[in-house]
Formats: sequence, C-alpha cells, structure tokens
Amino acid sequence: DTAVSQTPKYLVTQMGNDKSIKCEQNLGHDTMYWYKQDSKKFLKIMFSYNNKELIINETVPNRFSPKSPDKAHLNLHINSLELGDSAVYFCASSQGSTGSQETQYFGPGTRLLVL
Amino acid sequence: GNSVTQMEGPVTLSEEAFLTINCTYTATGYPSLFWYVQYPGEGLQLLLKATKADDKGSNKGFEATYRKETTSFHLEKGSVQVSDSAVYFCALSENSGYALNFGKGTSLLVTP
Repeated sequence: DTAVSQTPKYLVTQMGNDKSIKCEQNLGHDTMYWYKQDSKKFLKIMFSYNNKELIINETVPNRFSPKSPDKAHLNLHINSLELGDSAVYFCASSQGSTGSQETQYFGPGTRLLVL
Repeated sequence: GNSVTQMEGPVTLSEEAFLTINCTYTATGYPSLFWYVQYPGEGLQLLLKATKADDKGSNKGFEATYRKETTSFHLEKGSVQVSDSAVYFCALSENSGYALNFGKGTSLLVTP
C-alpha cells in the first residue's frame, strides 16, 4: 500500500493552461504539505495544511491554490501555467501532533513540464 | 530566519570509502534536524533525525550528531556502497508550521 500517492506522475502542458495535481495519504495524518523542487534539486515549502486548515502559505503566486476536501487529500491547482512553473512537485504528510520532531512522508513527485 | 547550508556536490567515492557530508544551520530556536535521501526518480525518504542537542541519529550505517555549539549535523558513513548513490538533503524544522527547511542537497555517486 502506497502511503502518500500523487497523480499524475508526469504532466506536460502548454503555457496558459490550468492543471491540477492530486495527493492522497492513507497514514491517518493530520498535516499535509506541498513542496516544489526546481531543476537544481532545491526543495522549498509552498503550503501546509493541518486538519484541512491552511497553516503555511509561502510567497507563492496566487495562481497556485491548494484545496483540502478532507484530511487525507491535499490537491494543488495551478492557473495560467508559466514556463517557470516547470518543476517536480512533492506532496508530504506528517502526524501533526508532535510538532517539529515529526517525520514527513513524501509522495513520489509529479514532474510538471510547461511548454 | 532559518537556513541550512550543506556542502556542494557532486561527491564521488569508491565503494567502501568513508563518507562525510557537512551540514550547518541557523535557527532562532531549538529545531529538529533531519537527513533525507532521494534515490533517482523517487521521492524523499527519511534517513535519520535528531530532535535535541547531542542526540545522535543513525540508520543503515549512517549517523549524524546534533551539535548545538557548532550548529552542525554532519552525515557520516564508514563504508559506502554503490546502492548509497543518491541525493542527500539536510533539513531543519521549527515549530512554526512544521515545514522542513532544506539545504540544497548533495549528490553522491559511489563507484565499484
């Protein structure tokens, strides 16, 4: 059983399109995250949700909108895609009750290429 | 603000060589420290962690000690294997939102 899953694994699209990436975790965790990994492998937090409520919203363009329909899902919708959005997007989850000590469990990543 | 600095790669070693990947951090409080590993084409997985000063994290022959006096969390392994080839990320987490603040990653290639 996959603990944190993301779909799709690969996404190739044209500039200006709108796309969504889905994330689901079956670990019973309360906190979920989105990270962006750029072409140089640098990872940066984008959003964090705890019990469906937004906790962190880093300086991300408002074209990016996370949506958490329930504790097990955190989807990422991106409007008007730009070339610079090309990256690997990782979803992660953690228990959410023991703070900064918690291990985060990562999904396999979604490789987005904007043409 | 918080930040993590780790040595630039790529690092190339022969099998059975000793590995050190340096990591230092700046933080306003008392962070937890982590090493995550990313194998080619995969997501990240926790390698080890330490949550307070002088703690030593260890896993799969890797170890790192949380040194508050030098603000460091260097990763070591006594004898690397080809299967250890991956990208290694040092990270910290403080209480504000629990997000991980990553270093830039160090690519390790182990040759037979």
